[in-house]
Amino acid sequence: GESVGLHLPTLSVQEGDNSIINCAYSNSASDYFIWYKQESGKGPQFIIDIRSNMDKRQGQRVTVLLNKTVKHLSLQIAATQPGDSAVYFCAEGVYGGTASKLTFGTGTRLQVTL
Amino acid sequence: NAGVTQTPKFQVLKTGQSMTLQCAQDMNHEYMSWYRQDPGMGLRLIHYSVGAGITDQGEVPNGYNVSRSTTEDFPLRLLSAAPSQTSVYFCASSYEGLAGESSYNEQFFGPGTRLTVL
Repeated sequence: GESVGLHLPTLSVQEGDNSIINCAYSNSASDYFIWYKQESGKGPQFIIDIRSNMDKRQGQRVTVLLNKTVKHLSLQIAATQPGDSAVYFCAEGVYGGTASKLTFGTGTRLQVTL
Repeated sequence: NAGVTQTPKFQVLKTGQSMTLQCAQDMNHEYMSWYRQDPGMGLRLIHYSVGAGITDQGEVPNGYNVSRSTTEDFPLRLLSAAPSQTSVYFCASSYEGLAGESSYNEQFFGPGTRLTVL
């Protein structure tokens, strides 16, 4: 299948542990952020989003934290499972705009070890 | 629903050849787009369309053409392939909500086409 990239930073986590994936964004005007998961051979899949009027949002086993002061967001995955192995990347944009205005990060590869 | 489908899954071209990457969606989405994904880089927008008959350029449009004759289909044409176009191409679609609403989280991606230009 298609590989996302050979030069991605890699996070190796043991099954059952929590994972934290980080993303730095560049545009101070961005007020909307998304995390995507991309499994080998597949297109990106939406995980969770957050608007800049929040600093934390929780989903099922995932939490996104936003620190606007340092333009940083993170994705926390609780009780990491083998099925979580994938490339994760963030995207930034302006809420109320169109998807054409999203800017995507390069991604982090998450490897779950047994 | 099949979602977003792309064909072919793999393609090898020689420099100068032309071809069309197909993309179709069955969700009645108004918005469709094409991205390329290269090692060490994020997804980059090539072209997009906000509805049948309407297309616009994205960040990296050179060397590519698109058309949108129907809501369902959004083909991407490479006019004269170059090695720099070797990449993985993704098509995506979403329902663009009313002005002021965001439907980013409804953007669905196809499985991708890996293109190699020799």
